Amino acid sequence: DGGITQSPKYLFRKEGQNVTLSCEQNLNHDAMYWYRQDPGQGLRLIYYSQIVNDFQKGDIAEGYSVSREKKESFPLTVTSAQKNPTAFYLCASTPIANYGYTFGSGTRLTVV
Amino acid sequence: RKEVEQDPGPFNVPEGATVAFNCTYSNSASQSFFWYRQDCRKEPKLLMSVYSSGNEDGRFTAQLNRASQYISLLIRDSKLSDSATYLCVVNSRGANFGNEKLTFGTGTRLTIIP
Repeated sequence: DGGITQSPKYLFRKEGQNVTLSCEQNLNHDAMYWYRQDPGQGLRLIYYSQIVNDFQKGDIAEGYSVSREKKESFPLTVTSAQKNPTAFYLCASTPIANYGYTFGSGTRLTVV
Repeated sequence: RKEVEQDPGPFNVPEGATVAFNCTYSNSASQSFFWYRQDCRKEPKLLMSVYSSGNEDGRFTAQLNRASQYISLLIRDSKLSDSATYLCVVNSRGANFGNEKLTFGTGTRLTIIP
């Protein structure tokens, strides 16, 4: 079955550490997105990519980095520069333009 | 003004009742509109797209009013399983042609009471 897979489901980070969240899709979708969701807030766009080897900053890109070396993969690194990283991170993909997104099941990141 | 605004609720509605949500958007150039459903601690899932002519899927009806820049979702004969947060989603063109992204409302929480 086609789908979008995020791992790990839960992640704990120590202060000052970088961590990488995985996102893989086998839907042959061109565009991939990373969102962050905090309690009581809507989803906020971190980064997005519409084609391999190209990506764009979203609304809250500071403290995050991404790569898009393969169409299927769009990993997100939460760096130590991100001061408040505890959140629910959602990866999504879509065939280009005017389609709804398919989301992965998310990664819950907690700073300990 | 927020790009997409929803009443956060909560809406507590008896089983079998009809409930309606509205959502307003600020960008008049927005092209596509969606309703998503999100269960507690889960990812959002596409409920339905919203077309200019309005569309219906079983007990769910979505409508778009471009002149007033709002979309609506109507749920008839509500079930316990309809309890969730409903997200209004708008596709707005980015700064560069072709760079489109979805903007999510904060969601309306619905609880169906037995």
